[in-house]
This record gives sequence, C-alpha cells and structure tokens, in this order.
Amino acid sequence: TQLLEQSPQFLSIQEGENLTVYCNSSSVFSSLQWYRQEPGEGPVLLVTVVTGGEVKKLKRLTFQFGDARKDSSLHITAAQPGDTGLYLCPQTGDSNYQLIWGAGTKLIIKP
Amino acid sequence: GAVVSQHPSRVICKSGTSVKIECRSLDFQATTMFWYRQFPKQSLMLMATSNEGSKATYEQGVEKDKFLINHASLTLSTLTVTSAHPEDSSFYICSARVTGHEQYFGPGTRLTVT
Repeated sequence: TQLLEQSPQFLSIQEGENLTVYCNSSSVFSSLQWYRQEPGEGPVLLVTVVTGGEVKKLKRLTFQFGDARKDSSLHITAAQPGDTGLYLCPQTGDSNYQLIWGAGTKLIIKP
Repeated sequence: GAVVSQHPSRVICKSGTSVKIECRSLDFQATTMFWYRQFPKQSLMLMATSNEGSKATYEQGVEKDKFLINHASLTLSTLTVTSAHPEDSSFYICSARVTGHEQYFGPGTRLTVT
C-alpha cells in the first residue's frame, strides 16, 4: 500500500507572507501534478513535473520535484488571498492513468 | 485550452428518481474520463474510469448498476444516478485525461436528493 502525505494539513497566514507546503509519497511518482481546488469547484491543474530535481515556476509559485521523485514542495512567495484553496498532489495509480488523492493542504490567506 | 464542462451544476431530485450528469471536453478529445465524488471536507474519491467506446471500470464498492456511465463519444461522458437516495447527495466531479496523468476537471455537480 502506497502512502501519500501532504503537510501541513492546514495553514492560515497573512497576506504577504511566504509559505511552503509538502507532498511525500512512499512510492515513486510517474509524474507529479499539483492542483488547487476552491470550495464548490473542481480542481485546477497548476503544474506537472516529471524529472527528478526539476523546478518549475508559475509567477509567485515555485514547484520542486525531489531527486528520487517521491516528494515535492510548493513554495508561494508573498501570498495573496487569491491563493486560498485546497492544494493537492495526487499519486499516480497503477492502471488507466488513475490518480489517487490524499487530503491535501488547506491554505487560507487572510487579507 | 483543455476546458471541461459539466451540466447541470446543481440538481435537486426526489428520492427514487434518476439524474443524469453530463461531462464534456470542449476543445479536445478525451478517450479517458474519470468520475469522482467528494463529500464535505473530504478529498476526491474515484468512482469509475470511463473509456470511449467501452465499458466503464468501477472502483471497489461503487455499484455499477446504480451509477451508470456512458462514454459514447470522444467529447462526452455521462453519469446517471439511478433510483437516487439521500445518501447519494454529494458533489460529483468529472475529469478528462489530456496526456500522461494530467487531468482537467469540470466544475462539478452538486446533487441533493430529498
């Protein structure tokens, strides 16, 4: 059984602060996607990382994929209220390109 | 690109009736779509994988006769909740596979069974 853990589970900070959330798995990711889901909506794909050690930047968001492809981090600089949401990094399943979802990190940015 | 729509966004039905939810890929073709349900404050739970032109693959514990999935074209998959009961009330979300493991999600359908 593969384990997927995201930390912290919940984070509430003030606008303008920096933060990092983490995604760790007991198994190697075929590829790793980060999604953000807002209440009452479907998840939105933010980024896909494939190569160990890969770093991708999306404006104020920096995604890093671990060398062993078992972990990833998402760093947000100068967080804004629009960054509020549930951040998810699903594990890749064994078949049919399925994704297995954990509880995610619930992020609240207070104005 | 990679826009997925869902219809309806909200539906209220009476216990015992059936409800159909449509999931469309608007600007791409999707051979594989997925159906999820999500309860409040919980993560997504995969219900089934829908492959165009073939039978859906259901996850363990999901009744295939209750949740009918049809993927008749490369841009449309439907989920029909048959003989709905209050415990079927949930947030249903579809997604479409674009490439590799990337999935693009619809906005979800809030089903309330009274």
